[in-house]
Amino acid sequence: EPEVTQTPSHQVTQMGQEVILRCVPISNHLYFYWYRQILGQKVEFLVSFYNNEISEKSEIFDDQFSVERPDGSNFTLKIRSTKLEDSAMYFCARRDRGLTEAFFGQGTRLTVV
Amino acid sequence: LAKTTQPISMDSYEGQEVNITCSHNNIATNDYITWYQQFPSQGPRFIIQGYKTKVTNEVASLFIPADRKSSTLSLPRVSLSDTAVYYCLCGGATNKLIFGTGTLLAVQP
Repeated sequence: EPEVTQTPSHQVTQMGQEVILRCVPISNHLYFYWYRQILGQKVEFLVSFYNNEISEKSEIFDDQFSVERPDGSNFTLKIRSTKLEDSAMYFCARRDRGLTEAFFGQGTRLTVV
Repeated sequence: LAKTTQPISMDSYEGQEVNITCSHNNIATNDYITWYQQFPSQGPRFIIQGYKTKVTNEVASLFIPADRKSSTLSLPRVSLSDTAVYYCLCGGATNKLIFGTGTLLAVQP
């Protein structure tokens, strides 16, 4: 199946620092998502992105978070001032046009110290 | 979005058939039922999807009764590598995916 590539695979950052997580889906996909999974917990929806705009976001996705598709292909999640509780696996996902199944990347493990 | 309920965990042995049932009493008319598999430290992986009756692919079968208020994922002859968390989700083409706690399947030799 077509891949979703996420970079970096692991990032360690100090509390209060900004981080940018990147996702490279295949460019003709319309729907993009960010999810996170805190260790031992369930996969949580953060935000969906459709037609280059945020279409829906969860309560977790507060002002510290933002998403962009700066160059038409890469899809980024920015956390402006990281907190310890932001430590988690972050997954990017995409959906093809007209289909309902989503394809997830392998994730970025974010560790805030 | 329909809330789904699954067993928290199941145990099986290699070579057995495993059936994981999910209930979704409030499923909407345009919702599909989709199952994902997740290994530790990896992203969820699509397994199978259906709307009604039975769907089969190379890895699993999905049984959906006429009222669509439940579904059963069937894994034939599981192996150790099938040990994972399995999620049942309901939604349409544009909905966000909402994951529950899933079912942790532990396959033993």
